[in-house]
Amino acid sequence: NAGVMQNPRHLVRRRGQEARLRCSPMKGHSHVYWYRQLPEEGLKFMVYLQKENIIDESGMPKERFSAEFPKEGPSILRIQQVVRGDSAAYFCASSPPGSRGYTFGSGTRLTVV
Amino acid sequence: KQEVTQIPAALSVPEGENLVLNCSFTDSAIYNLQWFRQDPGKGLTSLLLIQSSQREQTSGRLNASLDKSSGRSTLYIAASQPGDSATYLCAVKPAREGKLIFGQGTELSVKP
Repeated sequence: NAGVMQNPRHLVRRRGQEARLRCSPMKGHSHVYWYRQLPEEGLKFMVYLQKENIIDESGMPKERFSAEFPKEGPSILRIQQVVRGDSAAYFCASSPPGSRGYTFGSGTRLTVV
Repeated sequence: KQEVTQIPAALSVPEGENLVLNCSFTDSAIYNLQWFRQDPGKGLTSLLLIQSSQREQTSGRLNASLDKSSGRSTLYIAASQPGDSATYLCAVKPAREGKLIFGQGTELSVKP
């Protein structure tokens, strides 16, 4: 049973490009969460999704960021027109129904140059 | 608004010492509390999960306690080893919410 799979592990984008980060939850987990870890800062919640639904997006920046978790396939965090301040580690976590323990992926480290 | 604080921010101990990491939270209405370990440049590994109705959980040399009424949790590491060196993160899941609220972490260094 593979854990939470995130890809790519490292992503370099030039300012103004789009970044697409993928997350495949653990088998049997229907809840997906995205967190961001800025350099020298703690993990901050971004968005909570279930299949085809956004449950809580209170931590998402109002512009340029979007997330989806389609019926088939991985969850996608998309950042349009990236800026240097978007450089961070983005972590995905999943949990089964009932929201007990979370399992985190290894993260995607985004560098904007 | 729930806030989570971890003290100390950094800790350096000689190998073999027993140590305690502290976590406090401002709102006692939590569903559970989870301790994680993060190695540099890596993801998070779950160490212990304590439900709000529980007082403590143990796994090997690790013991975590929870006092919900006072808003505190401690992670006790017995007989520390250099391999325990990492950042330890405390996170609470507020009641009726899906997300986790993280503390800033305690960076632990165990010297051989």
